[in-house]
Amino acid sequence: DADVTQTPRNRITKTGKRIMLECSQTKGHDRMYWYRQDPGLGLRLIYYSFDVKDINKGEISDGYSVSRQAQAKFSLSLESAIPNQTALYFCATSDTSAPTPETQYFGPGTRLLVL
Amino acid sequence: KQEVTQIPAALSVPEGENLVLNCSFTDSAIYNLQWFRQDPGKGLTSLLLIQSSQREQTSGRLNASLDKSSGRSTLYIAASQPGDSATYLCAVRANQAGTALIFGKGTTLSVSS
Repeated sequence: DADVTQTPRNRITKTGKRIMLECSQTKGHDRMYWYRQDPGLGLRLIYYSFDVKDINKGEISDGYSVSRQAQAKFSLSLESAIPNQTALYFCATSDTSAPTPETQYFGPGTRLLVL
Repeated sequence: KQEVTQIPAALSVPEGENLVLNCSFTDSAIYNLQWFRQDPGKGLTSLLLIQSSQREQTSGRLNASLDKSSGRSTLYIAASQPGDSATYLCAVRANQAGTALIFGKGTTLSVSS
């Protein structure tokens, strides 16, 4: 079983719709992250969470919100989707107590298309 | 603002060649640097992580070096194989608490048999 899972893997939605992308991890890591990847722009950080009660904005948080429901779950919401939010979204985790702290482990990604 | 640049953007080599991928960053005050591999349509796999106090890390045919003062890292791949074909991403973590990774745009490697 994968350590970091993302659901759904693919999603098509319409402009103005609210959608949620979910991430779950079985690694027991304390930190979780959401990134988006766009051709020619690389990966950019949307939000990150260092524990259940700690949520931080990343480089491009406008238009997004997150919820850390438990240590193992971190959800990303698009309140009102717009076409330029079409991208590949990745969830990642890291463990500050690990022998090599801050190594990040990525999920398989969610491909989102906003029409 | 930290910026990470990877050169070249794409590279094609025949099987068996040794190759070097380059990564540069504008702010030398980094906490660590990480190299990832991304296969088409898939997530990222961590290859090597170098702490700011280290000069290099090795894993199998991969060797990553770090010159923090000059803002550069290289990923050396020995005896390349077609299975090495992927996009390689470099990412830095700033020397501050509570920050995450800043990524380069990647180098897409194609190894032909």
